[in-house]
Amino acid sequence: DTAVSQTPKYLVTQMGNDKSIKCEQNLGHDTMYWYKQDSKKFLKIMFSYNNKELIINETVPNRFSPKSPDKAHLNLHINSLELGDSAVYFCASSQITGELFFGEGSRLTVL
Amino acid sequence: GDSVTQMEGPVTLSEEACLTINCTYTATGYPSLFWYVQYPGEGLQLLLKATKADDKGSNKGFEATYRKETTSFHLEKGSVQVSDSAVYFCALSNSGYSTLTFGKGTMLLVSP
Repeated sequence: DTAVSQTPKYLVTQMGNDKSIKCEQNLGHDTMYWYKQDSKKFLKIMFSYNNKELIINETVPNRFSPKSPDKAHLNLHINSLELGDSAVYFCASSQITGELFFGEGSRLTVL
Repeated sequence: GDSVTQMEGPVTLSEEACLTINCTYTATGYPSLFWYVQYPGEGLQLLLKATKADDKGSNKGFEATYRKETTSFHLEKGSVQVSDSAVYFCALSNSGYSTLTFGKGTMLLVSP
């Protein structure tokens, strides 16, 4: 029943590896987002998709690549992981100009 | 660009104390303003919102009034509970795609 679900919830991996985080929403929203929350709780938008089309692509390394196979899914793939990528990644969705609904977050730890 | 500034935490209170968390913003046009709450180990949830000047958002005993003249949206609660312990984020939306600009968050710790 979860409105916005992300997997995995926890991810521990070595530097240099490639990993993916998946997100699905069952709210029928048109827009989905990825946010990064650092250790000080600061939240920063990374990407936003509207109806599978990329509309926001903030200044993030190109090792981060979002993919939206359909408007209910937005996955995040990260290549060549670095220590500084350790953070909690939140997926969210909304209707245009509407409230954002967040997933529970995926805590990534890079060793 | 748009920005949100909120008071640094942690804010430490005893149960039943009054709470104010300050939030001011810089934005062009007429943004919508939000307070989100993040309980430990969870994602963010919308607490309340206001979409135009002088609107008051309220939920779960929390209130905030959209003050255009002072560009502020301070969060208030008359009597906090231990269960209110969380991180509170002030945010604004100033675009058609609902992208939120967040403040840095304020941790609230309420002790019995």
